[in-house]
Amino acid sequence: DAGVTQSPTHLIKTRGQQVTLRCSPKSGHDTVSWYQQALGQGPQFIFQYYEEEERQRGNFPDRFSGHQFPNYSSELNVNALLLGDSALYLCATSRVGGPAFFGQGTRLTVV
Amino acid sequence: AQSVTQPDIHITVSEGASLELRCNYSYGATPYLFWYVQSPGQGLQLLLKYFSGDTLVQGIKGFEAEFKRSQSSFNLRKPSVHWSDAAEYFCAVGGGDDKIIFGKGTRLHILP
Repeated sequence: DAGVTQSPTHLIKTRGQQVTLRCSPKSGHDTVSWYQQALGQGPQFIFQYYEEEERQRGNFPDRFSGHQFPNYSSELNVNALLLGDSALYLCATSRVGGPAFFGQGTRLTVV
Repeated sequence: AQSVTQPDIHITVSEGASLELRCNYSYGATPYLFWYVQSPGQGLQLLLKYFSGDTLVQGIKGFEAEFKRSQSSFNLRKPSVHWSDAAEYFCAVGGGDDKIIFGKGTRLHILP
């Protein structure tokens, strides 16, 4: 049983570009949440998807958007990248009422 | 406001010594509480969680945590640490399918 998988593992982008990060959930999980972890900080909640809809959103600008597919996998899109968007992006998946399992993350560097 | 406070940024203990990492939370409803561990460059691994019932929770790798509602605390303990326990530890709070709110983490250093 594969756990939560994220791709790519590392990414370097230029300011102003757009990026798409991907997450495949653990088997049986239908809820996907995305977190941003800046260096030396705890993860910050970006948004959560369930049944292909955004169910909750944290304090992030509209440049951050997402999508959930019928197979429960998810994408995180960030437009107009800023240097401050450099971080580890973590995907967490769960099923209703259960604990969240985290992927290994995607390290995004904006230069 | 919902928040988690981990008052110790760094903690250093000798291998074989006991460990306690502190965590205090603020949450409007009955909280679900978690401890995660993160090795450098890695994702988060769930050590243990408290949803309800017995306030002393056993986790993986010999860790345990105690929920004290009156003190709004959920401290993590281990009777004897191993060098492989060196990592960043995050306390977190959430509610059912609600988002998880993390503390800023405590970096654990182990002396040989």
